[in-house]
Amino acid sequence: QSVLTQPPSASGTPGQRVTISCSGSNSNIGSNYVYWYQQLPGTAPKLLISRNNRRPSGVPDRFSGSQSGTSASLAISGLRSEDEADYYCATWDDSLWVFGGGTKLTVL
Amino acid sequence: QITLKESAPTLVKPTQTLTLTCTFSGFSLSSSGVGVGWIRQPPGKALEWLALIYWDDDKRYSPVLKSRLTITKDTSKNQVVLTLTNMDPVDTATYYCAHITVVIDNFDHWGQGILVTVSS
Repeated sequence: QSVLTQPPSASGTPGQRVTISCSGSNSNIGSNYVYWYQQLPGTAPKLLISRNNRRPSGVPDRFSGSQSGTSASLAISGLRSEDEADYYCATWDDSLWVFGGGTKLTVL
Repeated sequence: QITLKESAPTLVKPTQTLTLTCTFSGFSLSSSGVGVGWIRQPPGKALEWLALIYWDDDKRYSPVLKSRLTITKDTSKNQVVLTLTNMDPVDTATYYCAHITVVIDNFDHWGQGILVTVSS
């Protein structure tokens, strides 16, 4: 049981906009930045969104993040087939790192 | 360029102790603010953070596994070692090490991971 709650799955068709939620509590999302990782099949996770809404160099602006209270969201616009992957939210909780349970995104 | 690579036996028996080594380059664990962490992922399951060590020897552990984990660093060898005692088949997972800094505040560079299977 993960400290951060994500829907196990999400889906969309090419070109659509999809959002993935991440729910936590005051001790984690409510008081720390949220990070999002993308994990393509068979590869290591890659940082996608830093500090709630910052994109590292090389991440397309189709990806965006937001945070409000004890929840956060990842939005992907202009969905592409190569976006099919697992997505994880993460943050600090009392100086310890925590991950969400992950969301498998399927591009139909 | 920051790189990390995990090494460990790929097969361990139940009750044995697993020793994982992370060998890195492109940064130094003697530099202020730098850290290395371990994360694992059972086949088909979610990421699970295990432990973290900083340049100043500040060590943090997952509360769930704290009694079984020990993390150490060897600055001269650019290595971080994680031991996990009393291995069980449920510990079968891909184990990743990753770079973190106090400033960046997240795991921004990851190793390729190593699959460790626990079986008799």
